Amino acid sequence: EVQLVESGGGLVQPGGSLRLSCGASGFTFRNYEMNWVRQAPGKGLEWVSYISGTGNTIYYADFVKGRFFISRDNAKNSLYLQMKSLRAEDTAVYYCARDGFQLGVWGKGTTVTVSS
Amino acid sequence: QSVLTQPPSVSAAPGQTVTISCSGSSSNIGNDFVSWYQQLPGAAPKLLIYDDNKRPSGIPDRFSGSKSGTSATLGITGLQTGDEADYYCGTWDSSLSAVLFGGGTKLTVL
Repeated sequence: EVQLVESGGGLVQPGGSLRLSCGASGFTFRNYEMNWVRQAPGKGLEWVSYISGTGNTIYYADFVKGRFFISRDNAKNSLYLQMKSLRAEDTAVYYCARDGFQLGVWGKGTTVTVSS
Repeated sequence: QSVLTQPPSVSAAPGQTVTISCSGSSSNIGNDFVSWYQQLPGAAPKLLIYDDNKRPSGIPDRFSGSKSGTSATLGITGLQTGDEADYYCGTWDSSLSAVLFGGGTKLTVL
């Protein structure tokens, strides 16, 4: 069964850092492009970042450039999102999603709350 | 405010047909494939339509997608109460080098 499981969310103070992980199973991870998408409470979907299968191509949404960093470890079938200088407006459920720019498989998400 | 514009809400009775529009520009919808996602209450989004009009395995043919120029449309026929959800369009924007989502449309089946 194809599965994505996010972890690493939690409560963090403004200005703090957090590293999200996404574990993949049921498919050949290195062959697939991956994304992070977030959803603030009561709001719509907001794309955060993309990474190619090799990790050579990366894109970020403007609002996270310089603060968030996407990476992957194909040997560990894992996707990561390092988040720094967190702000209250970064509070959201963070989903990892597979399949390039048309996101075919989604995890259940991990919740990040930025608050003092 | 999203670059892709969707109506905030639509409603129809069970068994009826509804369409949800998604309006963009030449750098996004007019230049790349559109996908549609369904998000049931409390759940993660699910891909409904990709490549403008293709359905992933397991998605019933009550769901359809179309595109013309810089606008796309999701159609749902034979509405069921279980279709009540938020629906999002999505595509790649070549000018922004970013994936875009519409603001979402809440479907109510009366």
